[in-house]
Amino acid sequence: DIQMTQSPSSLSASVGDRVTITCRASQAISTALNWYQQKPGKAPKLLIYVTSRLQSGVPSRFSGSGSGTDFTLTISSLQPEDFATYYCQQTYTMPPDSFGPGTRVEIK
Amino acid sequence: EVHLVESGGNWVQRGGSLRLSCGASGFTFNTYAMAWVRQAPGKGLKWVAGISASGGTTYYAVSLKGRFIISRDNSKNTLYLQMNSLRAEDTAVYYCAKGYQDSLIDAFDAWGQGTMVTVSS
Repeated sequence: DIQMTQSPSSLSASVGDRVTITCRASQAISTALNWYQQKPGKAPKLLIYVTSRLQSGVPSRFSGSGSGTDFTLTISSLQPEDFATYYCQQTYTMPPDSFGPGTRVEIK
Repeated sequence: EVHLVESGGNWVQRGGSLRLSCGASGFTFNTYAMAWVRQAPGKGLKWVAGISASGGTTYYAVSLKGRFIISRDNSKNTLYLQMNSLRAEDTAVYYCAKGYQDSLIDAFDAWGQGTMVTVSS
C-alpha cells in the first residue's frame, strides 16, 4: 500500500503569512494527489485535485504543485478562515485509502 | 446545490451491527461513485469503502476484512453502509462522500455532515 506523510504535523502562522505544507508518497503517484481542508466539527472540503486544479469556489490564494512523490500546498496569504487541518490524499491506486495524517495550521 | 445527509449512527455494543444511510440531492446520483470515510475522535481521515455509480463495483479498506458492506439504491438516491461485528476501533464519525466522477479512485467533491458511531467495549 502507498503511505502518505505530511510535514509539518502542525504550524503556527500569522494572518498574511505565506504557508507551505508538504505531502510525500511512499512511491510515485504521478499527479494523483488531492488536498482537503477540515475545520473543527465540520466535514472535510476539497480544495485542490489532481495536484494543482483548484476546486470551484476555492480562493486563488490556495495552490498546489508537485509530481511523483513530493507535493506541496501553498497558501499565499493566510486569512483568518484558513486556520484548519489540511489533509492530502492519493488517488493513484486502489484502494484509495491513503490520506495523509494531516497538518494543523494554528494562529500565532 | 449538492446535499448529503447521513443517518443511522448510534451507540452499539461490541459485536453488534448497524446500518448507516446517506440521502443525496442536488445532483444526478446514479452517475457518480460514492464512498464512506471515517474519522475516529481526534484522529485523521480513513477511507472505508467505495461503490461505482451503478453499484456494480465495490471496494473496501483491507483492514475491514469483510465486516462492512456498501450498497446504494439509485431509485431512492441513497447510499448505505452495513456494519457488522463492530469493534471498539470502529468508533468514529462516518462521512458519506461524493466522487468527482464515476470512478472509485477519485477526489471527493462533496461530503455529508457525518454521523457518529460509538462501539462500547
